[in-house]
Amino acid sequence: QVQLVQSGAEVKKPGASVKVSCKTSGYTFINYSINWVRQVPGQGLEWMGWVSPYRGDTSHSPKFQGRLIMTTDTSTTTAYLDLSNLRSDDTAVYYCARDMTAATFDHWGQGTLVTVSS
Amino acid sequence: DIQMTQSPSSLSASVGDRVTITCRASQSISHFLNWYQQQPGKAPRLLIHSASTLQSGVPSRFSGSVSGTHFTLTISSLQPEDFATYYCQQSYIALWTFGPGTKVEIK
Repeated sequence: QVQLVQSGAEVKKPGASVKVSCKTSGYTFINYSINWVRQVPGQGLEWMGWVSPYRGDTSHSPKFQGRLIMTTDTSTTTAYLDLSNLRSDDTAVYYCARDMTAATFDHWGQGTLVTVSS
Repeated sequence: DIQMTQSPSSLSASVGDRVTITCRASQSISHFLNWYQQQPGKAPRLLIHSASTLQSGVPSRFSGSVSGTHFTLTISSLQPEDFATYYCQQSYIALWTFGPGTKVEIK
């Protein structure tokens, strides 16, 4: 069955970077883009960007311009989100999600809580 | 960016009730609208895609419809496991945007 398993919770200081991993299994990795969505505690869902494992193409929300890098490793079928220059308002649960087609997210990771605090 | 609004923001209902949640887009998005359910502490779950197509494995008490830019999610008979927050999401134009959510609580 399709599974997306994310890395564990992180605590970072302002200005630091965080790298979250999303290990996938149960399907052909290169056939589906991976999207990243975050959720500030108690708030709604915010789309951050996507990465295509097939060619490595990416696209992201302008909100994260210059701070967000999304990559994949096809040898381990793992996607990565790298967010730099962290601020306190980046404290959120970060989810990876498989795009089954046309920005429709049919399988999600369990989420990774990133806490940014001095 | 396309703005998504949902109403109500929360509602209280009883098991067995029919529940309707609406979602509006700030511009035409055709049928490119998805619905997700999120239970506390869990990841979202895809319920409906393309406005009205039930995702595999989702109970048939869930349904979706569209009229212009007005989308509706209906739960025909609310079950205990349906108490959750529901989000709509447009998949018409990047960047993909979600509605603010509708929390369905137990009356």
